[in-house]
Amino acid sequence: DAGVTQSPTHLIKTRGQQVTLRCSPISGHKSVSWYQQVLGQGPQFIFQYYEKEERGRGNFPDRFSARQFPNYSSELNVNALLLGDSALYLCASSRPGRGKETQYFGPGTRLLVL
Amino acid sequence: SQKIEQNSEALNIQEGKTATLTCNYTNYSPAYLQWYRQDPGRGPVFLLLIRENEKEKRKERLKVTFDTTLKQSLFHITASQPADSATYLCALAERGGGNKLTFGTGTQLKVEL
Repeated sequence: DAGVTQSPTHLIKTRGQQVTLRCSPISGHKSVSWYQQVLGQGPQFIFQYYEKEERGRGNFPDRFSARQFPNYSSELNVNALLLGDSALYLCASSRPGRGKETQYFGPGTRLLVL
Repeated sequence: SQKIEQNSEALNIQEGKTATLTCNYTNYSPAYLQWYRQDPGRGPVFLLLIRENEKEKRKERLKVTFDTTLKQSLFHITASQPADSATYLCALAERGGGNKLTFGTGTQLKVEL
C-alpha cells in the first residue's frame, strides 16, 4: 500500500502570501492530522480531522485553516504568511478502530517564507 | 506549565552497545506514549506505543518503559547499529485528547563503528 503522500515537497513564498498544502492519507484511513515542525524542534499539532469534521485544533492563529474531503484527503491553508511560518509541515493519517493510535506520517512539505 | 523533555544533547555510542533515551513530562495525564524515529528531511516513523497501565513493551531490539509515578519513559535500543542513527521523538496523547500527539524535541542518536 502507498503511504501518506503530500504535495508539494518544497515551496517558497513571500511574506503576506497564502499557501495551500495537500495530503492524501493511506487507503482506508479516515483521520488526518497536521503538524508543524520547526528546525530542531518536535512536531507541533495544528489540526485533526475525522470523517470531514474537525476533531482538534492546536494553539495556532486563525490564519491557519484546514478541511477534509469526502475521499479523506485534506488541505491545510495558511494566509498572510510570516517568516516564522517557515517549517516542515507534516500530515499524518490513522486507521479507524483497533490501532487508531498509530499515526503514519507523510514526508512533509518544506515551506520557506522570505 | 506543560513540558515534555528529551535529552537535547546528541547521544553518541559505539556499535553493539545499548542506547538509552529519556523522555520526561510534567503536568500531563497521558493515556499513552509513543516513540518515533525521524531521519533528516523525512516524516517520523512509528516505533512503539505504551499505555498508561503498562510498564514495559518490547519489539525486536527495542524496549520502552513507562513510569507514571516518575513521569518518565525510557527507550532502549540493544545491540545498536550505525543504521539506528537518527533522531528519536517521544510523543504523548492525553486522556480525552483523542489522537492529538504532543511531541518532545527529540534526541539525536549516533551509533559509531
